[in-house]
Amino acid sequence: NAGVTQTPKFQVLKTGQSMTLQCAQDMNHEYMSWYRQDPGMGLRLIHYSVGAGITDQGEVPNGYNVSRSTTEDFPLRLLSAAPSQTSVYFCASSYRGAGADGYTFGSGTRLTVV
Amino acid sequence: KQEVTQIPAALSVPEGENLVLNCSFTDSAIYNLQWFRQDPGKGLTSLLLIQSSQREQTSGRLNASLDKSSGRSTLYIAASQPGDSATYLCAVFTGNQFYFGTGTSLTVIP
Repeated sequence: NAGVTQTPKFQVLKTGQSMTLQCAQDMNHEYMSWYRQDPGMGLRLIHYSVGAGITDQGEVPNGYNVSRSTTEDFPLRLLSAAPSQTSVYFCASSYRGAGADGYTFGSGTRLTVV
Repeated sequence: KQEVTQIPAALSVPEGENLVLNCSFTDSAIYNLQWFRQDPGKGLTSLLLIQSSQREQTSGRLNASLDKSSGRSTLYIAASQPGDSATYLCAVFTGNQFYFGTGTSLTVIP
């Protein structure tokens, strides 16, 4: 089925470790983004991309890196994990412009940093 | 900067009631507005998408309206059921970013 695929679904990291959360979409969407969701704080935008080779920072970018080498993939890298990065991470994608089909979300990655 | 507000933050209704959730946004320059549902511990499921040129969209018991000039949208749920219990979020797309409200937590009491 077409959609946004996130892997892994669950991950436990030790403080200081690095890892990459994977996000792939097969809808040819130009726009892709990463959010974190913490209890009582809603969705917060980490990074987003409006097309291959173009990325920009969102509201809470510190401690995270992204790249967009292809239209389909938008990985999120944690450089040196910290307990404050314990959260649920969502990837989402969309077409851009008027008439866009709306946002499609992945099922999330639950990350715990100990 | 676009700001999206949802009122009320929480709502509890008996089964069978019709209800309205509200979403307001500060900048009317949007491409579309989308309503999502999120169950505890789960991802976001799209319910309805309204393009900026549209006034409303309907899906089953759900009806969403959009008044872009006043910066308001409503989600109407008819004949509520316990399975409707979830958090409902609205989001507006400006062409560069999506802006989310903080959601309305709905509980439908059997």
